[in-house]
Amino acid sequence: DTGVSQDPRHKITKRGQNVTFRCDPISEHNRLYWYRQTLGQGPEFLTYFQNEAQLEKSRLLSDRFSAERPKGSFSTLEIQRTEQGDSAMYLCASMPTRTSRETQYFGPGTRLLVL
Amino acid sequence: QKEVEQNSGPLSVPEGAIASLNCTYSDRVSQSFFWYRQYSGKSPELIMSIYSNGDKEDGRFTAQLNKASQYVSLLIRDSQPSDSATYLCAVIAGGTSYGKLTFGQGTILTVHP
Repeated sequence: DTGVSQDPRHKITKRGQNVTFRCDPISEHNRLYWYRQTLGQGPEFLTYFQNEAQLEKSRLLSDRFSAERPKGSFSTLEIQRTEQGDSAMYLCASMPTRTSRETQYFGPGTRLLVL
Repeated sequence: QKEVEQNSGPLSVPEGAIASLNCTYSDRVSQSFFWYRQYSGKSPELIMSIYSNGDKEDGRFTAQLNKASQYVSLLIRDSQPSDSATYLCAVIAGGTSYGKLTFGQGTILTVHP
């Protein structure tokens, strides 16, 4: 499968615990995006990487959130001291840099439930 | 005012009818517009993109863009029960937005037999 993959697909955790999600973009896609989607809402942008550089972060990304993309390949999103309000679907998307059409390809998402 | 607004619905149409989904956006310099379909519990799937004023047709889907009115729509002809899903309108702003998508809240479409 050459699509975007995310792991885990589901995560249940207790409030206050740390969680880490992984995203593997489509091979050779330089651009990588993280979004968060809560029930009944559209996805909201969290952060953007071009290769290994994190070029933009949303105000939604509080100090408890950190994202990395070492070596410009896979990316991780970590949430420290989780809160119930962090419960959401976390989506990763990738896109090639050299494209005249800005089509993002989404992974299956990681659904987080904080108890 | 939200950057991208959609009628949340739900929109219910009979099988075989035309479903019309609407979206307005606030950023006048937006350049790229997308419609995604999202089934319950799944991730968004791109069904249409449009970049210039006018209509773009792909099978049963037609996207319409009017930049002067800051309006984009999606028509689904011969609607099928399998079209029942949430439809998300998304926009990429102009300028240095790094291609990030700004989504509307989605319109729930139900096609009943």
